Amino acid sequence: EVQLVESGGGLVQPGRSLRLSCTASGFTFGDYALTWVRQAPGKGLEWVGFIRSKAYGGTTEYAASVKGRFTISRDDSKSIAYLQMNSLKTEDTAIYYCTRDISPGTSYFDYWGQGTLVTVSS
Amino acid sequence: QSALTQPASVSGSPGQSITISCTGTSSDVGGYKHVSWYQQHPGKAPKLMIYEVSNRPSGVSNRFSGSKSGNTASLTISGLQAEDEADYYCSSYTSSRTRVFGTGTKVTV
Repeated sequence: EVQLVESGGGLVQPGRSLRLSCTASGFTFGDYALTWVRQAPGKGLEWVGFIRSKAYGGTTEYAASVKGRFTISRDDSKSIAYLQMNSLKTEDTAIYYCTRDISPGTSYFDYWGQGTLVTVSS
Repeated sequence: QSALTQPASVSGSPGQSITISCTGTSSDVGGYKHVSWYQQHPGKAPKLMIYEVSNRPSGVSNRFSGSKSGNTASLTISGLQAEDEADYYCSSYTSSRTRVFGTGTKVTV
């Protein structure tokens, strides 16, 4: 059974950093891209960024709203993806989901974690 | 990258059919077959309902169908049931190699 479990969320002050983890099981982690999606309280889904599998360079893409502040990385030996968030702003407050990303050649998210809440507030 | 445009709400009676639109540009929806749809119940993670415009994952009811014309994709739910009441989001690949979600539609049965 495919499972994605996010962790690392919590309350953080504006300007500080936080690192989220996404621990995967039930599939060959290294064969897939991973995407982070967030949802502010009462709002819609926002694509944050993704990391390709090593077979496709392990490179990353980011939304304009987080580019330069957020970094996605992966440790295939541990089946974990990370979202490093720096210079956090109050508008980064959201539930953060990691998803298994079916790409390239197509693009969709077939499995989602349960999400972890990040609250940026003084 | 601006969010794709969806109607804020759509409603229907049990047994009826409804259609949710998702309008983008030639740089996203109109330029690729990579359009997908997600269902989200309150307090839950989103669930994939349609991928590549019109394909259903295993386990998703055939009451859900997708299509695309130009820059607009659509999700149709036929034989509406109480359990279909949820928020629905479209998503598309973009020419910038990123992805974008729609603004979301609340379906009321």
